[in-house]
Amino acid sequence: GAVVSQHPSRVICKSGTSVKIECRSLDFQATTMFWYRQFPKQSLMLMATSNEGSKATYEQGVEKDKFLINHASLTLSTLTVTSAHPEDSSFYICSARDPGDYGYTFGSGTRLTVV
Amino acid sequence: GEDVEQSLFLSVREGDSSVINCTYTDSSSTYLYWYKQEPGAGLQLLTYIFSNMDMKQDQRLTVLLNKKDKHLSLRIADTQTGDSAIYFCAESGGSYIPTFGRGTSLIVHP
Repeated sequence: GAVVSQHPSRVICKSGTSVKIECRSLDFQATTMFWYRQFPKQSLMLMATSNEGSKATYEQGVEKDKFLINHASLTLSTLTVTSAHPEDSSFYICSARDPGDYGYTFGSGTRLTVV
Repeated sequence: GEDVEQSLFLSVREGDSSVINCTYTDSSSTYLYWYKQEPGAGLQLLTYIFSNMDMKQDQRLTVLLNKKDKHLSLRIADTQTGDSAIYFCAESGGSYIPTFGRGTSLIVHP
């Protein structure tokens, strides 16, 4: 089946620095990928839709200058958390859909801790 | 209210059956999904059902859909400790983009 690889799985960074998270579709091409944020004991909150070759679409309330998304190829989307602060600490998950599938495949997630 | 609702917790004994319930509001839903999330991991698609189906069985998993009541359930037969996880119900239209419930934490006691 379709595989979505997400790296890193865990990252700890200092407040004020930037962190890049990668999401790759390993055996299919994805013109669209999605980035979610998950708080403890809560559901997934869709942050943005990453579109290959064009600007990302952000959900209401998500700061596009804080969460930079780049989808430069059909198999790679990146999420950069800029000037990270402790309140950005969370679990970030990406997803993509193989055109041959009926559901979305999710990456394994990235646990970001900002100290 | 929320578009997809599910109870937050379910506790069962090992070997018993687990039934996780979900209700949704969008009558135009085309696909309904169950995802499993283990601690610290991403979501794994367990199974899905088309809106024109009533039931789907896959080994220990049985999905029942009552489209009239917009009710979806997941039954896990012979529940094992390895089934302990959070189970998310989700629905989507033709775009396949899922709308998730808040997840049900399934706790399996030995």
